[in-house]
Amino acid sequence: DSGVTQTPKHLITATGQRVTLRCSPRSGDLSVYWYQQSLDQGLQFLIQYYNGEERAKGNILERFSAQQFPDLHSELNLSSLELGDSALYFCASSLGGTHGEKLFFGSGTQLSVL
Amino acid sequence: AQKITQTQPGMFVQEKEAVTLDCTYDTSDQSYGLFWYKQPSSGEMIFLIYQGSYDEQNATEGRYSLNFQKARKSANLVISASQLGDSAMYFCAMREGQSGSARQLTFGSGTQLTVLP
Repeated sequence: DSGVTQTPKHLITATGQRVTLRCSPRSGDLSVYWYQQSLDQGLQFLIQYYNGEERAKGNILERFSAQQFPDLHSELNLSSLELGDSALYFCASSLGGTHGEKLFFGSGTQLSVL
Repeated sequence: AQKITQTQPGMFVQEKEAVTLDCTYDTSDQSYGLFWYKQPSSGEMIFLIYQGSYDEQNATEGRYSLNFQKARKSANLVISASQLGDSAMYFCAMREGQSGSARQLTFGSGTQLTVLP
């Protein structure tokens, strides 16, 4: 158990809908990262937050947004969903202070858009 | 250009044998970190080993070791005495940037390892 909690584990929805994925980082970790894993694109970095502020942005679509709350949990919002958004979405966390620290990953949310 | 290249989509190894999974990287930073993660069929990402660009010794963690060749920009993972439970997807990843900032990891495309009984 990595200590990172993601909910829900599975999500099935229809095109055009909006969903929210939730992540609770490990206790004490200030950085939260969101990744998308699909068969054709592999593991793609979406966005990173550090102590409530956006730190880095990757290949995140404009239809997607995220935030980190004062209690450090994070949410990833996906709107106007398309079939191609079907993927495994990972949240990861780290302390956020040292260069060599590893990321601890949650078990992911499997999103299926029908 | 790809930051992390894993040229072996799939690998087979006999149980109890050693196996090397290849990883090459591309960066102009002097300070960077290299990581290996394991993803079993259940889906979770499990950290295996880390190598810093300034580390003079190759990293080792139990049966895992990292063959770091800085001049060749390679960071191959060596698994000794393979076990059936080692069957999984393995990802090489890199963090670039100045020391003190925990930036995101960039992942390679992965290598699917199958351990044969």
